[in-house]
Amino acid sequence: GAGVSQTPSNKVTEKGKYVELRCDPISGHTALYWYRQSLGQGPEFLIYFQGTGAADDSGLPNDRFFAVRPEGSVSTLKIQRTERGDSAVYLCASSFKGAGEQYFGPGTRLTVT
Amino acid sequence: AQKITQTQPGMFVQEKEAVTLDCTYDTSDQSYGLFWYKQPSSGEMIFLIYQGSYDEQNATEGRYSLNFQKARKSANLVISASQLGDSAMYFCAMIVNTGNQFYFGTGTSLTVIP
Repeated sequence: GAGVSQTPSNKVTEKGKYVELRCDPISGHTALYWYRQSLGQGPEFLIYFQGTGAADDSGLPNDRFFAVRPEGSVSTLKIQRTERGDSAVYLCASSFKGAGEQYFGPGTRLTVT
Repeated sequence: AQKITQTQPGMFVQEKEAVTLDCTYDTSDQSYGLFWYKQPSSGEMIFLIYQGSYDEQNATEGRYSLNFQKARKSANLVISASQLGDSAMYFCAMIVNTGNQFYFGTGTSLTVIP
């Protein structure tokens, strides 16, 4: 079946601009996660959704970052006033009810110039 | 606080040989899960193997096995009969029963030499 998909695969934006990154999880997976992976590092947790609600947003670095999942399926990660330090690969993952392994998407590579 | 440590930034292995990738973890939770993921150059994280903290047997999945030593808090990945397609980054990760997020190590880059 279809895996986790993320769009766009690459995004280049100028400092100060607003960006939206989209994640489409595996059908039937109620849990959705966003991670950020900087070069040479492992993924770092940003936010976790169970259904439509953000059950844990403790990993969001500051209030420029926000994520939504209005219908409990597709999620959008929104970054306002982007900074060069936001450049990274943003990974989305989903799992069945938040248990067991997480299935990752291919990521969106964000470059802020 | 939860922490995963992978001390081998890079490893080389001859094709068809076995290789062990090290992972140690730190948590005060009694119930947790340990995972290994493979990340090829394409960037996608591929699930390899899982070990629960209460599992008495070491997990195995095909050519992958997890050497779980609970008292030492280690969860090393063993890949047998290495193949050229095994060349990738490998990440050890942990999730605790009281939390929702994965904690990842910094990864080990494995290169399989023909």
